[in-house]
Amino acid sequence: AQSVTQPDIHITVSEGASLELRCNYSYGATPYLFWYVQSPGQGLQLLLKYFSGDTLVQGIKGFEAEFKRSQSSFNLRKPSVHWSDAAEYFCAVGLPMYSGGGADGLTFGKGTHLIIQP
Amino acid sequence: EPEVTQTPSHQVTQMGQEVILRCVPISNHLYFYWYRQILGQKVEFLVSFYNNEISEKSEIFDDQFSVERPDGSNFTLKIRSTKLEDSAMYFCASTVGRAFYNEQFFGPGTRLTVL
Repeated sequence: AQSVTQPDIHITVSEGASLELRCNYSYGATPYLFWYVQSPGQGLQLLLKYFSGDTLVQGIKGFEAEFKRSQSSFNLRKPSVHWSDAAEYFCAVGLPMYSGGGADGLTFGKGTHLIIQP
Repeated sequence: EPEVTQTPSHQVTQMGQEVILRCVPISNHLYFYWYRQILGQKVEFLVSFYNNEISEKSEIFDDQFSVERPDGSNFTLKIRSTKLEDSAMYFCASTVGRAFYNEQFFGPGTRLTVL
């Protein structure tokens, strides 16, 4: 079965420092890849997604992610974090229908809680 | 900006009781979803719904669960007889069309506590 691993439960970063959140997936084919963010009391908001093509994708709020097929990874990065980036970050995958996956349900990682130090 | 809303934000119930979690998807969306997140665990897909019927469901979505779109705006998840292990955050989502290139918009969640 497909799975998503976010190895870091908590990450603390100083404001203005760079950020990288790790995500690895386990599946034979390349799934659709997503990063979501959840601020306290809010729903999950899509930051960016990868389907095909350029392996470096740009998202909202200055985030980017790089797909590396050889490492089955889709790490999220930001060059300079702001205090407002403190939130829970979720990596998720979806299987294309032609790969035998259901077209509907996303598979999520456990999330990484990002703490910003002043 | 349109958003998915969920009520209540927190529901406390006794084991064995029925609960209904409510969601109002974005108005022009056609596909609706429920996910849940048990504390400390992953967000898990439960069910998707389209054209007044279940499109897909996970193995978690057993006979204790049901979904309904009782009117043109609400989308509900019913748990018939709650168990302690049903305690979780339940997220509703909606999208304009099927397939993952249509973004799933999520609500803020309902925290269900079963005592």
